[in-house]
Amino acid sequence: AQSVTQPDIHITVSEGASLELRCNYSYGATPYLFWYVQSPGQGLQLLLKYFSGDTLVQGIKGFEAEFKRSQSSFNLRKPSVHWSDAAEYFCAVGPSGTYKYIFGTGTRLKVLA
Amino acid sequence: NAGVTQTPKFQVLKTGQSMTLQCAQDMNHEYMSWYRQDPGMGLRLIHYSVGAGITDQGEVPNGYNVSRSTTEDFPLRLLSAAPSQTSVYFCASSAPGVRDYGYTFGSGTRLTVV
Repeated sequence: AQSVTQPDIHITVSEGASLELRCNYSYGATPYLFWYVQSPGQGLQLLLKYFSGDTLVQGIKGFEAEFKRSQSSFNLRKPSVHWSDAAEYFCAVGPSGTYKYIFGTGTRLKVLA
Repeated sequence: NAGVTQTPKFQVLKTGQSMTLQCAQDMNHEYMSWYRQDPGMGLRLIHYSVGAGITDQGEVPNGYNVSRSTTEDFPLRLLSAAPSQTSVYFCASSAPGVRDYGYTFGSGTRLTVV
């Protein structure tokens, strides 16, 4: 069955520290992969996406993610976290040609000043 | 501003009442979806539409109806509200031909059923 796992429910980092949020997926073919961010009381905003090609993709707000087929992972990274990055982050996977995406349960990021 | 507009932002219903959550987009997106978000469960797809007049069920469709008479609007109807439908509801849309490029989400409707 298709699934997305975000193993970390909560992560706390200090401002200026590096960040890595984990995402693992189970899917029978090459997936389309996404990361979204949700600020409190807001909808989800697309950070970045991967379809094919270069396995390291750049997104908005200084985020990047690396697709590793051998590990079925698509981890999100940021070299230096800002206080405004505090939010909830969702990984999602979707097959090509359909409209049904599967979301992970989210990772809530807290940033310490 | 262009985007996905959801109304209302907050709603309290009594068990058994019906209501419609409104969703409108002005980006000429063909694909629209409704999700519900519950703590620890991520987002779950309720219903989706690939164009006017075409709708289909998602993962958790029971208790909800949808219709798509225009490209712009995709209302979600709760037929007889139950406490289990207490949740945050998000509408999302995606552009034709690039439907795999990710959604644009509305800001959500927080529904409480008492």
